[in-house]
Amino acid sequence: AQTVTQSQPEMSVQEAETVTLSCTYDTSENNYYLFWYKQPPSRQMILVIRQEAYKQQNATENRFSVNFQKAAKSFSLKISDSQLGDTAMYFCAFMAFRSSNTGKLIFGQGTTLQVKP
Amino acid sequence: DSGVTQTPKHLITATGQRVTLRCSPRSGDLSVYWYQQSLDQGLQFLIQYYNGEERAKGNILERFSAQQFPDLHSELNLSSLELGDSALYFCASSATWGGPDTQYFGPGTRLTVL
Repeated sequence: AQTVTQSQPEMSVQEAETVTLSCTYDTSENNYYLFWYKQPPSRQMILVIRQEAYKQQNATENRFSVNFQKAAKSFSLKISDSQLGDTAMYFCAFMAFRSSNTGKLIFGQGTTLQVKP
Repeated sequence: DSGVTQTPKHLITATGQRVTLRCSPRSGDLSVYWYQQSLDQGLQFLIQYYNGEERAKGNILERFSAQQFPDLHSELNLSSLELGDSALYFCASSATWGGPDTQYFGPGTRLTVL
């Protein structure tokens, strides 16, 4: 079974600074994607970034980037130039494909990030 | 706005009752997924449909059922409700099934069982 672990329940960062959220996962699947979703106080689940496991290059989306270490099964999210609007809960998620687990998003417990002015 | 719609936004009901949650996927998406977010269980996958057919099941209770209709909208039926069923229920959609598609989430339906 797949598991996703986020070991930091809460984090805070000053506006304009950089913060890194950690995520580790465990799987025996060969084909999978990893995601970071953001859940602001509105409760909407918003995709932040995704990483194809077969790609060595780390994904980036504007101020958001990941550090994907496949051998270590680690997938951290770096937020640069933090903004007040980044305040939210962040979920790391795993999804296998081409398997019996295709399509099932497995989520970590979440990290609550507060950006302070 | 993800393009996925869910109704109602809020639902308050009593134990033992039955409710139906509705989801319309993004235009062109054929897959629909249901997730439950509760304080004690976190975010859990419940069930997935592709083009009207059930494709995968997660930790969905026997009291819960779902279906996807020919127009691709989906309904999640929750019966014999218990206090522990109080949660935020999300629907998500993606273009296909079997591939590495990103799932886009609706705004959720908050269910409160009193």
